[in-house]
Amino acid sequence: DAEITQSPRHKITETGRQVTLACHQTWNHNNMFWYRQDLGHGLRLIHYSYGVQDTNKGEVSDGYSVSRSNTEDLPLTLESAASSQTSVYFCAVAKGTSNEQFFGPGTRLTVL
Amino acid sequence: GENVEQHPSTLSVQEGDSAVIKCTYSDSASNYFPWYKQELGKGPQLIIDIRSNVGEKKDQRIAVTLNKTAKHFSLHITETQPEDSAVYFCAAASGAGSYQLTFGKGTKLSVIP
Repeated sequence: DAEITQSPRHKITETGRQVTLACHQTWNHNNMFWYRQDLGHGLRLIHYSYGVQDTNKGEVSDGYSVSRSNTEDLPLTLESAASSQTSVYFCAVAKGTSNEQFFGPGTRLTVL
Repeated sequence: GENVEQHPSTLSVQEGDSAVIKCTYSDSASNYFPWYKQELGKGPQLIIDIRSNVGEKKDQRIAVTLNKTAKHFSLHITETQPEDSAVYFCAAASGAGSYQLTFGKGTKLSVIP
């Protein structure tokens, strides 16, 4: 079955370190999204991509970057981790012509 | 940009009763409204969605209604069961080729056996 995987599932890091969260999909869909989920804020869009070499900023993109070198992967990088970036991060995938987004299992990131 | 408000933030119902969660949106161009269920420790799961050309959609015990004039949509769960206990999120997507979703802040539903 096609699926979305995220790794690692849990990570603890220190302030100032660079961190990369992986998202991999086997659907071969064009649209991929990164969200963060915080208590009281719901899901907020960080970055998204509609295809290879395409990346766009979302609502809360400061301090984050993404790159899309192939269809299957959209890694999320925290250039210099801050305590405010402690959160649960979700990757989502959708077909190129559809709004229907399907979510991965999430990565819980703690920045100390 | 789009703004989605969701109410209530918590909801407790007795098993077998109905549950209703309501959302309002601000962008009249939005044309896609999904609902997600999130169980503890898991990613959100799409359970039902509705597009702006439809007023109501049903899938077994779950239904969604949309009032475009008032810019609100609702999730209805009938004959609730303990396994319906979860956090539910509504979302809205604008048209014109945008595939971004704006989410409400969620409703924690507890079904009491």
